[in-house]
Amino acid sequence: DAGVIQSPRHEVTEMGQEVTLRCKPISGHNSLFWYRQTMMRGLELLIYFNNNVPIDDSGMPEDRFSAKMPNASFSTLKIQPSEPRDSAVYFCASRGGDVGYGYTFGSGTRLTVV
Amino acid sequence: DQQVKQNSPSLSVQEGRISILNCDYTNSMFDYFLWYKKYPAEGPTFLISISSIKDKNEDGRFTVFLNKSAKHLSLHIVPSQPGDSAVYFCAATPRSQKLVFGQGTRLTINP
Repeated sequence: DAGVIQSPRHEVTEMGQEVTLRCKPISGHNSLFWYRQTMMRGLELLIYFNNNVPIDDSGMPEDRFSAKMPNASFSTLKIQPSEPRDSAVYFCASRGGDVGYGYTFGSGTRLTVV
Repeated sequence: DQQVKQNSPSLSVQEGRISILNCDYTNSMFDYFLWYKKYPAEGPTFLISISSIKDKNEDGRFTVFLNKSAKHLSLHIVPSQPGDSAVYFCAATPRSQKLVFGQGTRLTINP
């Protein structure tokens, strides 16, 4: 099992540019989560999907952020336009069964907006 | 509104001794609690969990204790090893949905 795969690992972009982060969950997992880690706010949930349907997007900071899950094996998080305050590490996680077995996280995408 | 709090940003323990990491929560709707371990440049890795119907769960060197009346849980690592040096996150979930994380505690195991 390859685990949760995120791409790219690092992204440096200029303010105002569009950024797209990608995630491939573990095959068979039916829940997918996008988290953001910053020094100030720690790990915060942005949005999560169950069976490809967005369930809770209350953590999405503003309209510049959008997320999609067109099928069970792929999700994207898009920021348009990007701003320096969006600089953070973005994690994707998936879960397939009982919450007691935890959520499996990807290695994250470190985004730097200059 | 910090629903899950880890009040100690860092902890230093001698190798072979017990490490105790603490976590407090405010939401009585939480029904599952988890601990994650994170190394630099990697994603958090699931360590151990406990259901709200239990007060203790043990897995090898790791034991999690839950005190519902105090809304407090702790992670015990015995004996501590150098490879345990990492950031530990406490997390909780209401009705088995989204995970809410604490700020993390950086554990350093000294030889």
